[in-house]
Amino acid sequence: DQQVKQNSPSLSVQEGRISILNCDYTNSMFDYFLWYKKYPAEGPTFLISISSIKDKNEDGRFTVFLNKSAKHLSLHIVPSQPGDSAVYFCAASARGQNFVFGPGTRLSVLP
Amino acid sequence: NAGVMQNPRHLVRRRGQEARLRCSPMKGHSHVYWYRQLPEEGLKFMVYLQKENIIDESGMPKERFSAEFPKEGPSILRIQQVVRGDSAAYFCASSNLQGGNQPQHFGDGTRLSIL
Repeated sequence: DQQVKQNSPSLSVQEGRISILNCDYTNSMFDYFLWYKKYPAEGPTFLISISSIKDKNEDGRFTVFLNKSAKHLSLHIVPSQPGDSAVYFCAASARGQNFVFGPGTRLSVLP
Repeated sequence: NAGVMQNPRHLVRRRGQEARLRCSPMKGHSHVYWYRQLPEEGLKFMVYLQKENIIDESGMPKERFSAEFPKEGPSILRIQQVVRGDSAAYFCASSNLQGGNQPQHFGDGTRLSIL
């Protein structure tokens, strides 16, 4: 049973436009959410996180939105750049327990 | 380099051999996590360790797999009598959980290939 889902395996966006990556979860005990970016042959790199007491967190071009009632979070990247092309993983944890990762979405930013 | 260091980056073993994967956490981090990633899949949690203690091994296969994080030296993930299905990328992450939820920081992984 997948507790963290990323239903879009891939996404293509034009350079300069907004990229929106989505993530859904089923465990209502999750209280901490993160996004990681991964390039081929490298480890995941932490991008941004959000606690369940917030509904938005922003860091430069990256903004994460959390909708607890819908058990949904999204990552917005604006403006998108070719260097953003990577696989993006959503992850969640409950009360400091281990992270559960989604299967990832491959983002391609086209020049 | 103060990041999470994993070695080797690539490891080739024949069926039945042993594989040892090493992970040195970021400086100041005392919590280590091991994950496995199969092709086209996400990261699957395997084990969580602190110095000299296994905290959670709920993701570890019951047989052939073991992990340790000794008082001195790196964390070791050990796979005995490897089989073809063990071929995967194994990632280590570390964190400092002081002060509440903290992100985990990952190494670049060890790619294990079983011949």
